[in-house]
Amino acid sequence: NAGVMQNPRHLVRRRGQEARLRCSPMKGHSHVYWYRQLPEEGLKFMVYLQKENIIDESGMPKERFSAEFPKEGPSILRIQQVVRGDSAAYFCASSPEGSPRYGYTFGSGTRLTVV
Amino acid sequence: DAKTTQPTSMDCAEGRAANLPCNHSTISGNEYVYWYRQIHSQGPQYIIHGLKNNETNEMASLIITEDRKSSTLILPHATLRDTAVYYCIVISNTGFQKLVFGTGTRLLVSP
Repeated sequence: NAGVMQNPRHLVRRRGQEARLRCSPMKGHSHVYWYRQLPEEGLKFMVYLQKENIIDESGMPKERFSAEFPKEGPSILRIQQVVRGDSAAYFCASSPEGSPRYGYTFGSGTRLTVV
Repeated sequence: DAKTTQPTSMDCAEGRAANLPCNHSTISGNEYVYWYRQIHSQGPQYIIHGLKNNETNEMASLIITEDRKSSTLILPHATLRDTAVYYCIVISNTGFQKLVFGTGTRLLVSP
């Protein structure tokens, strides 16, 4: 049973380009969460999605960032027109239900570098 | 969510028990204590959680004081691979809860 799969592991983008980060949750998990960890800082919640629905996006920057979790396929975190300040590690987590009762399982992250 | 306080860093010799404390004096009756850790360059890993009784699993033990205002995570036989940042998080167990990761405790296990 594979864990949470994130790809790519490393992504380099030039300023102004788009970044697409993918997350496949654990089998049987339909709840996905995205967190961001800026260099030398703690992890910060970004967005919580269920299949085809955004449940809580209170941590998402107001512009350039969007997330989706389609009926089929992985969850996608999309960053348009990237800037240097977007350089960070982006972690995805999944759970079987929308509560922490069974713990959240995190992926290994995508490290985005904007040059 | 209740605020937690943890020491910034701790050292432990390999093979010895690592005892990581956490203060959560404002915890409310329906809030659980969760522990996660983050090994360098990896995603956070769930370790254990509890409400008021002591808990044990294959990774660690969790001791919660009777008044629930503090707890201790115990790694009974620390190995070099246990070197990580350990986060104590207090949250309700029902409904969606954002994990709020503070600064945690940086545990260094040395040979």
